[in-house]
Order: sequence, then structure tokens, then C-alpha cells
Amino acid sequence: DAMVIQNPRYQVTQFGKPVTLSCSQTLNHNVMYWYQQKSSQAPKLLFHYYDKDFNNEADTPDNFQSRRPNTSFCFLDIRSPGLGDAAMYLCATTPGTGRNQPQHFGDGTRLSIL
Amino acid sequence: AQSVTQPDIHITVSEGASLELRCNYSYGATPYLFWYVQSPGQGLQLLLKYFSGDTLVQGIKGFEAEFKRSQSSFNLRKPSVHWSDAAEYFCAVGEGSGTYKYIFGTGTRLKVLA
Repeated sequence: DAMVIQNPRYQVTQFGKPVTLSCSQTLNHNVMYWYQQKSSQAPKLLFHYYDKDFNNEADTPDNFQSRRPNTSFCFLDIRSPGLGDAAMYLCATTPGTGRNQPQHFGDGTRLSIL
Repeated sequence: AQSVTQPDIHITVSEGASLELRCNYSYGATPYLFWYVQSPGQGLQLLLKYFSGDTLVQGIKGFEAEFKRSQSSFNLRKPSVHWSDAAEYFCAVGEGSGTYKYIFGTGTRLKVLA
């Protein structure tokens, strides 16, 4: 089945130690999103790619960066994780533009900071 | 301002009882509306969506939702809840032009009593 796959499911890192989260998709979708979700909250959009065009949300901390080397893969890099960055990180995709296209989510990576 | 409101943070129902989760939106144009379910430790799964046409929308897992423009509502219903329906439910509206984004509600956590 075509899907959105996030690796790893659980990631533990140390305070200040860079970490990379991975997302891959077999849907061949043009748009990929990264969300941060803290406990009992709605997902918060960090940024998204339309093909190679990167779109950063205004309130996304500079500590968060992303790479999309090809259509299938997208990475979330946290340069110097702080305790407040502990959260679930969700990747989602959608075919392209248009408000009527639902987003397809991966199962997320839960990030813990020691 | 565009927004989505889910007035109920927590709802508890008995297994076999009917369920209604409320969602109200504020959006200037025709809303494109979605309901997602999130089981603990998982990503978001699309239950159903509304774009136009019949205001009663059928989704997966026996869920349905009714769009009421006059009340700016898109409430989710299920006639008989199963224990496996215990999860967090998010209502969202697709907004923007070009590469679109979601405006999420804050979510409703459903607990099912045996």
C-alpha cells in the first residue's frame, strides 16, 4: 500500500545534540509537511515543501530546518534540541495545490530530550 | 479571523451509545472540511471530508458528518460507539491559496466505557 513512513518511531537525544527525523512516501505527492504536536494539542505546522520550494511558517524557530533531496524523502533537522522540543513530529503529504486535497499522515516520531 | 472550534475537550460515552462531536468553523469562503482520528501514539487518519454537494457525508468506520452552513458547523456522529473508537478527534478546515494548509481545532478526546 502507498503510504507515508516515518523513521524512527521513537528517538531519544541529548539536550543540544543535533537530531534528524526522516519521512518517506510512496504516494508520489508533490507536497510534504512537517508538524510538531505536543501532548493534548493539535498539530502545529512547522514548514512544507511544494516540490523543492520550501515554505517556512513565520513562528517556526530557527533551530528547525528541513531538507527534501527528492520527491520521496523529507528530513527534519533540529540543530540544538531544547527540552521544549520534546514532542511528536508528524509528516504529511498531499498531491498538490488545492484546499480540497486531504493530507495523508505518517505515524509520527516521538522525540524525547534528555 | 479564520478558526475552528471544538467546544468539547473530553467526551465519555458508553460502548453502544450514540456519539456526536461538535465542530464550528469561521471561514470567509466555502469551507473544505475534514475530520481526522488519532489513536494514542499514532498519526492522523482521515475519517471523512466535505467539499460540496450532499451535506451529509459518510466516512470510514461507520462515522458520518453533517455540514450546516447556517450554523457554521460540521459535527461528527456515530450511531453506536465501539471501544476501539477511543481516540482523539480533530476537525480541520483547508485554507489558503496555492499550497494550502489546515486550520485544526484543538481536538476532542473520546473515552469509551465498557
